[in-house]
Amino acid sequence: QVQLVQSGAEVKKPGASVKVSCKASGYTFTGYYMHWVRQAPGQGLEWMGRINPNSGGTNYAQKFQGRVTMTRDTSISTAYMELSRLRSDDTAVYYCARDVYSGYDYWAYWGQGTLVTVSS
Amino acid sequence: DIQMTQSPSTLSASVGDRVTITCRASQSISSWLAWYQQKPGKAPKLLIYKASSLESGVPSRFSGSGSGTEFTLTISSLQPDDFATYYCQQYNSYSPEKTFGQGTKVEIK
Repeated sequence: QVQLVQSGAEVKKPGASVKVSCKASGYTFTGYYMHWVRQAPGQGLEWMGRINPNSGGTNYAQKFQGRVTMTRDTSISTAYMELSRLRSDDTAVYYCARDVYSGYDYWAYWGQGTLVTVSS
Repeated sequence: DIQMTQSPSTLSASVGDRVTITCRASQSISSWLAWYQQKPGKAPKLLIYKASSLESGVPSRFSGSGSGTEFTLTISSLQPDDFATYYCQQYNSYSPEKTFGQGTKVEIK
């Protein structure tokens, strides 16, 4: 069965960077895009971008261009999302999510979420 | 970017009620729309894709309809497990960004 297991909660200071991991199992890692979605406390869902684990190619939401970097390590079936120059409003739960069918950007498979708290 | 607008933001209903949530897109997205259910502290759960296709394992009381710019999610007979927040999401391939509606919270009346 498809499983996405994310790294644990993080506390960061403003201006720092955070790197969240998402380890995939139960399917061919390079066969499906991996997306990142975040949710601030009490707020809605926000798509951040996606990575093609096969090629490493990325697409980022305009809002995060220049601050987000998505990478992958195919040898361990793990995707990463790094967000830099953190601000207090980056406090959120960050989810990885996998395409149901490659290239169709809706998601039946989600990680458990990683809480990132930005506080001085 | 394509903006998605859901209504209402909050909905109070009773067990057994028929519930309808509306989602409007700022431009046509054909049928490239998904619906999710989210409960507190949990990841979203896919209910509907391609506007009206029921995800495997999702109860048949959930249904979706619409195309172009206007879409609806209907719960035919609300059950206790259905009290949650619902989001629509567009995934039009011509739009580089995938956007969500702001959510509709279904509360107990």
